[in-house]
Amino acid sequence: DTGVSQNPRHKITKRGQNVTFRCDPISEHNRLYWYRQTLGQGPEFLTYFQNEAQLEKSRLLSDRFSAERPKGSFSTLEIQRTEQGDSAMYLCASSLWGQGAKNTEAFFGQGTRLTVV
Amino acid sequence: AQTVTQSQPEMSVQEAETVTLSCTYDTSESDYYLFWYKQPPSRQMILVIRQEAYKQQNATENRFSVNFQKAAKSFSLKISDSQLGDAAMYFCAYRSLGMRFGAGTRLTVKP
Repeated sequence: DTGVSQNPRHKITKRGQNVTFRCDPISEHNRLYWYRQTLGQGPEFLTYFQNEAQLEKSRLLSDRFSAERPKGSFSTLEIQRTEQGDSAMYLCASSLWGQGAKNTEAFFGQGTRLTVV
Repeated sequence: AQTVTQSQPEMSVQEAETVTLSCTYDTSESDYYLFWYKQPPSRQMILVIRQEAYKQQNATENRFSVNFQKAAKSFSLKISDSQLGDAAMYFCAYRSLGMRFGAGTRLTVKP
């Protein structure tokens, strides 16, 4: 396992189009997180999953955003009717939730950079 | 809601010197974890150091150490013997269920 993988790395889309990003977490990790990061800012929490269950959604996640993790493994983040304000880096992270400190670290993917033109 | 505040948007340190990055957080929970992550330019976020809230002893990882003050909800990062490769954005993060990040501190290391 080479870590958290995100695809595509870059996506340019026209305003109004739909886009979907994929995240493959570290295989034994049961938690998966999505974040949005704009230039010079910290990651903003969007949502996270425990296995296939979506446990929390940020208010940033408007009705144009949806995330799934159907089998508790990979996850997809879809943005419908994209707007220029959606341009950002979308980060995925995964962790193992359980006993012990070593289980709490979140490992990040390299992100998908979205540009809406 | 948990919030994480990093009051220093930018910091600068001379190579081989020591620098401290500050972080405060707000929570009503007693069991949580705190992290410092490093994000070099155009590169992946990587973990620098972690601290469990139930542990009184400050975490240390080689040149990196923290000053964890639970009552004050403060979690600062000290980098000793700074190296050019330490230059990056540093993010403080709080985790109970989900993980929340501060806005980051950009560290510049001068040769």
